[in-house]
Amino acid sequence: AQSVTQLDSHVSVSEGTPVLLRCNYSSSYSPSLFWYVQHPNKGLQLLLKYTSAATLVKGINGFEAEFKKSETSFHLTKPSAHMSDAAEYFCVVKKANFGNEKLTFGTGTRLTIIP
Amino acid sequence: GAGVSQSPRYKVAKRGQDVALRCDPISGHVSLFWYQQALGQGPEFLTYFQNEAQLDKSGLPSDRFFAERPEGSVSTLKIQRTQQEDSAVYLCASSLEIQGTEAFFGQGTRLTVV
Repeated sequence: AQSVTQLDSHVSVSEGTPVLLRCNYSSSYSPSLFWYVQHPNKGLQLLLKYTSAATLVKGINGFEAEFKKSETSFHLTKPSAHMSDAAEYFCVVKKANFGNEKLTFGTGTRLTIIP
Repeated sequence: GAGVSQSPRYKVAKRGQDVALRCDPISGHVSLFWYQQALGQGPEFLTYFQNEAQLDKSGLPSDRFFAERPEGSVSTLKIQRTQQEDSAVYLCASSLEIQGTEAFFGQGTRLTVV
């Protein structure tokens, strides 16, 4: 079985300050891990993915995440928040190298940017 | 189109009514998925197709839910005798390869059962 836990349901940061969205995973297999973003009335968009290559993964819009096996974590960070980053963020896990591509989502973290 | 297209975007159904939700995946994508996203929750897996074959339907909540993809492209999710707990956003996603690592999502259909 596999699952992800997003440790914060809501995070508020001021514009221009760092962002940290926390995610822990549990997987019986070597996992693939993803972060997706969901803006209001828009589809889910892939921010970045980890698939057993480099443990530090860079994504779009200045986001990055580090896979830490010893801590079973995959936290999402950005050095400087922008107003357009306000959205819902989902940490996602998938069994790597399996034919069934089912994604297991966390419950989401709502990011609010304070002007 | 360039992305995954879902229709209708919004659907209001009276309790007990049958509904059909459509998904047009990205052309050539082998894999197609349906997810259900309740208000304030993350999406939850419903079912998975590889071309026209439904390989996993373990997430369908009851036998009122039925999905098909007869020609390996467009898919329809049907819900019979809708109930209030079926109210949610239904998301469709597709990916290029069986072992592909990225799924592209549509904007979803928001179903409200009254």
